Amino acid sequence: DQQVKQNSPSLSVQEGRISILNCDYTNSMFDYFLWYKKYPAEGPTFLISISSIKDKNEDGRFTVFLNKSAKHLSLHIVPSQPGDSAVYFCAASGGGNEKLTFGTGTRLTIIP
Amino acid sequence: EAGVAQSPRYKIIEKRQSVAFWCNPISGHATLYWYQQILGQGPKLLIQFQNNGVVDDSQLPKDRFSAERLKGVDSTLKIQPAKLEDSAVYLCASSLDRLAGAWDTQYFGPGTRLTVL
Repeated sequence: DQQVKQNSPSLSVQEGRISILNCDYTNSMFDYFLWYKKYPAEGPTFLISISSIKDKNEDGRFTVFLNKSAKHLSLHIVPSQPGDSAVYFCAASGGGNEKLTFGTGTRLTIIP
Repeated sequence: EAGVAQSPRYKIIEKRQSVAFWCNPISGHATLYWYQQILGQGPKLLIQFQNNGVVDDSQLPKDRFSAERLKGVDSTLKIQPAKLEDSAVYLCASSLDRLAGAWDTQYFGPGTRLTVL
């Protein structure tokens, strides 16, 4: 039972344009959501997070949107840069169970 | 500030052999996690320690996997005997103090890639 889903295994975006990565979840007890970025041969690196009491959180070029009714969140990167090429994981936590549940990841490629 | 250290980075063994991974968390971090990441999947939590006590090991296959965190600092994860399906990247992460009430970012090490033949 996959509780956090990233349905797009890969995404290619032109440099300077907006990258939008999507994530859906099924567990209504999740109340905290995170995005991690992973380069090859490295561990995941925390990027940005959002609590369920908010619907938007922004940090520089990165913005996460949360739609609780649709159980959907998205990560926007504007403008996209070549260094953003990586695998992005969505993760969620909550319901008294504080462990992170990860999605399967989306490989983002920024085309120069 | 030094990050989470893991060793070895790569390990190849035959099925039924045993293997051990080592993790040194960020200094001062009370909580330590071991994750298993199978190719094409996201990381899955195996075990979580708070200092040297186990907080969650519900997804640890206890018939073959064991982990310890002596003195609340370094940790080792052992597999004995290994199966083909144990081929994965084993990630260690640490956070400052998970039970403090506020969310603490988990910082990941580079992982150990295990191949079981």
